[in-house]
Amino acid sequence: DTGVSQNPRHKITKRGQNVTFRCDPISEHNRLYWYRQTLGQGPEFLTYFQNEAQLEKSRLLSDRFSAERPKGSFSTLEIQRTEQGDSAMYLCASSLGDFEAFFGQGTRLTVV
Amino acid sequence: GQQVMQIPQYQHVQEGEDFTTYCNSSTTLSNIQWYKQRPGGHPVFLIQLVKSGEVKKQKRLTFQFGEAKKNSSLHITATQTTDVGTYFCAGRNFNKFYFGSGTKLNVKP
Repeated sequence: DTGVSQNPRHKITKRGQNVTFRCDPISEHNRLYWYRQTLGQGPEFLTYFQNEAQLEKSRLLSDRFSAERPKGSFSTLEIQRTEQGDSAMYLCASSLGDFEAFFGQGTRLTVV
Repeated sequence: GQQVMQIPQYQHVQEGEDFTTYCNSSTTLSNIQWYKQRPGGHPVFLIQLVKSGEVKKQKRLTFQFGEAKKNSSLHITATQTTDVGTYFCAGRNFNKFYFGSGTKLNVKP
């Protein structure tokens, strides 16, 4: 399967702990996006990369959130000192330029 | 800030009836994409519209992009139970997608 891969699929963590998610985009896709989706809502933009450069970060992303794409391939999203409000599905997508975005299966985070 | 509004939030139809969802943006979009998300799944790309007034068809699905490139619609003719899911529009502005809140379609057999 050469689609977008996200790990882990599910993560349960205690409030205050740090978590890190990984996204492997479709190879040769230069753009990578992170979105957050809560039940009954559309995906909310968090940040995106063009190759290894993080070009924009949403105001939704507090300073507890950080994302990297060190070699322009896979990306990680870290949440420090998790809060219950961080519970959501975290979606990664990749695209080649302005063409359609392909989404991964997402990582479902539950903060207890 | 950028906003994409989508209506209705829910739509329940009898199999065979038509369905339409509408998407409106507060600003002009460079293009708009439509996605379908099944329960428990991730968004799956359906189509992209780029030109003002563009209309595209995929079998029973008809997509339109408004003349001002600020609104769009998805129309499904003669719904089937396989059409069940949430349909999202995603307006592109400066390399980012802004998703609508989606329209959840339920089709009764």
